[in-house]
Amino acid sequence: EPEVTQTPSHQVTQMGQEVILRCVPISNHLYFYWYRQILGQKVEFLVSFYNNEISEKSEIFDDQFSVERPDGSNFTLKIRSTKLEDSAMYFCASSTQPYNEQFFGPGTRLTVL
Amino acid sequence: ILNVEQSPQSLHVQEGDSTNFTCSFPSSNFYALHWYRWETAKSPEALFVMTLNGDEKKKGRISATLNTKEGYSYLYIKGSQPEDSATYLCACVNFGNEKLTFGTGTRLTIIP
Repeated sequence: EPEVTQTPSHQVTQMGQEVILRCVPISNHLYFYWYRQILGQKVEFLVSFYNNEISEKSEIFDDQFSVERPDGSNFTLKIRSTKLEDSAMYFCASSTQPYNEQFFGPGTRLTVL
Repeated sequence: ILNVEQSPQSLHVQEGDSTNFTCSFPSSNFYALHWYRWETAKSPEALFVMTLNGDEKKKGRISATLNTKEGYSYLYIKGSQPEDSATYLCACVNFGNEKLTFGTGTRLTIIP
């Protein structure tokens, strides 16, 4: 069964460093999403992406964040200058249509020291 | 701000017993309600997507109902098994945007 994959599973970085979190969505999906969960809090939406552009973003998704689909398979989230409060589990998801079931990857745990 | 709440936060159930838990959401501008099952270190797994008032969906021993007028959904598990231990997340979608707004989850532990 096709699945969403994410790498790495755990990333440790120093505050101020850039990180790139990678996702491979399900191959025939067209809509892509990033969510995150800070420990002890709700899973929260970051950004949605369709047709090579951002379709919606939350107030969390400021200028430090960017997303890209550099080729036909990868979908990346970049954080330019990480802060301590960026430590969280980051989930990628994809779907065939907006509003449909979203398929989630296993997450990347980002730890900022 | 869309506020989705789940209760209880955690639940311990004896193997073989049935159980249920609640997701509540604002009924205005509602489009869809998603339920996910999330085991530690795995991907959240979609269980149901429901849109219509009165919807009932079933997958094996798990079922869900939806009341959009009063803004709640119930998830039921019949004859709990140890493999049902997981966190169950609900998420709401409003008209006009695609994002899932999640509740805090209900952590279910089945006691053998």
